[in-house]
Amino acid sequence: GGIITQTPKFLIGQEGQKLTLKCQQNFNHDTMYWYRQDSGKGLRLIYYSITENDLQKGDLSEGYDASREKKSSFSLTVTSAQKNEMAVFLCASSISGGSGNTLYFGEGSRLIVV
Amino acid sequence: SQWGEENLQALSIQEGEDVTMNCSYKTYTTVVHWYRQDSGRGPALIILIRSNEREKRSGRLRATLDTSSQSSSLSITAAQCEDTAVYFCATDATNTGKLTFGDGTVLTVKP
Repeated sequence: GGIITQTPKFLIGQEGQKLTLKCQQNFNHDTMYWYRQDSGKGLRLIYYSITENDLQKGDLSEGYDASREKKSSFSLTVTSAQKNEMAVFLCASSISGGSGNTLYFGEGSRLIVV
Repeated sequence: SQWGEENLQALSIQEGEDVTMNCSYKTYTTVVHWYRQDSGRGPALIILIRSNEREKRSGRLRATLDTSSQSSSLSITAAQCEDTAVYFCATDATNTGKLTFGDGTVLTVKP
C-alpha cells in the first residue's frame, strides 16, 4: 500500500499572507487533487493534475495556485489568505484520471488565518 | 438526503439498527462513489457502484443506483458503534476522475 502525506498539519498565517501546503504520495499515481472542506460541508475541487507538470482548474481555483513539479508531489498556494477561507485542505491521488478510480486522501491540512 | 448547497444531514441510531442514507445528483454520471470520513482523517472509499449496476454489496454495506431518478443510496445493516462517521456520495460527470461530492451525512451509532 501507499500513503499520502500532507504538510503541515496546521498552517497559521496572517490575513493577506501567501501560504503553501505540500502533499507527497508514494503510490506512483499519475493524478493528484486538492480539495477544500469547509466545516459542515462537502469537498470542493480546487486544482487537479493528470500528470507531472499538468495543472487543471477545479470549481474553486480563484485565489489559489498549484504546482506539480514531480510525479510524487503536488503543492497548493493560497495567494492571499483571507479569514473566510479557514478550512481543511485535502490532497488526494488516483492511479489515473479515469472514471471509477479510487481517490486516496491524506489526513488534511487545517488553515487558520489570524 | 444530500447534495449541492444542502446543509450536512445528521442521523442518530442505536447499535444493531439498519440505516439508509440517500444521495441525489444533478448531472449524468457513470459511477457513484461512497466515501466514509472519520473524525480528523481524510475520506476513504467504501463502495463504488457503476451505472450498469442497480445494486452492489460489500459486507454489511449495500449501495443502490437509479440513473433514471439520478439518485443513489447507501445502507448499513446492523450498524455498529465503529460505523459512526460522515458518509459522502460523489459523482464523476466528466468521466475524468474529477469527483463532485455531496455535503455528507453525519451518522452516529449509539451503544
